Amino acid sequence: EAGVAQSPRYKIIEKRQSVAFWCNPISGHATLYWYQQILGQGPKLLIQFQNNGVVDDSQLPKDRFSAERLKGVDSTLKIQPAKLEDSAVYLCASSRDRVGNTIYFGEGSWLTVV
Amino acid sequence: AQTVTQSQPEMSVQEAETVTLSCTYDTSENNYYLFWYKQPPSRQMILVIRQEAYKQQNATENRFSVNFQKAAKSFSLKISDSQLGDTAMYFCAFRIETSYDKVIFGPGTSLSVIP
Repeated sequence: EAGVAQSPRYKIIEKRQSVAFWCNPISGHATLYWYQQILGQGPKLLIQFQNNGVVDDSQLPKDRFSAERLKGVDSTLKIQPAKLEDSAVYLCASSRDRVGNTIYFGEGSWLTVV
Repeated sequence: AQTVTQSQPEMSVQEAETVTLSCTYDTSENNYYLFWYKQPPSRQMILVIRQEAYKQQNATENRFSVNFQKAAKSFSLKISDSQLGDTAMYFCAFRIETSYDKVIFGPGTSLSVIP
């Protein structure tokens, strides 16, 4: 079974520029998560999708972050304009549609804003 | 509020020894699942062990086991016969079912295994 795929792995941009991250979850996984992980901290949920719909985006800075999940499969997370404090690893994860199921993570996309 | 606390930001253990990582959580829900995830320096988070809250028996996976105390809301991870490859960040998490399934992660414990 293929894992959660993310790209790009690494990105360096200047502040006020834009960046987009892509995620392809494990086939058949209805739930998709985007987490932000700042160095030395635990993952912080930015947005959670259930199939096509958003079920939690309470911690997403909506003035600069946006995300979509096309046809309930792939997802894109965009930041525009980027700030220095957005430097972090952006983790995509997916799980089957039941509470007990394990969450599987991708390798993450490292963002450095200079 | 639903929270996860890991009171040990950093720990170290000698190779082949045993170490216990602590985790406490707070929730008013009765049905939930608990997880320990490992994040090596390569950054990919992988599942170490999981525990269903309705089960009294503690979960074990090879050298990894948990001590689940539901009344105390405690979920510690014991690593026996520590190996150099166990060096990583360890995150405690729990997953509850509200209107959707919600996952809460702790801040993590950095474990170093010393040769």
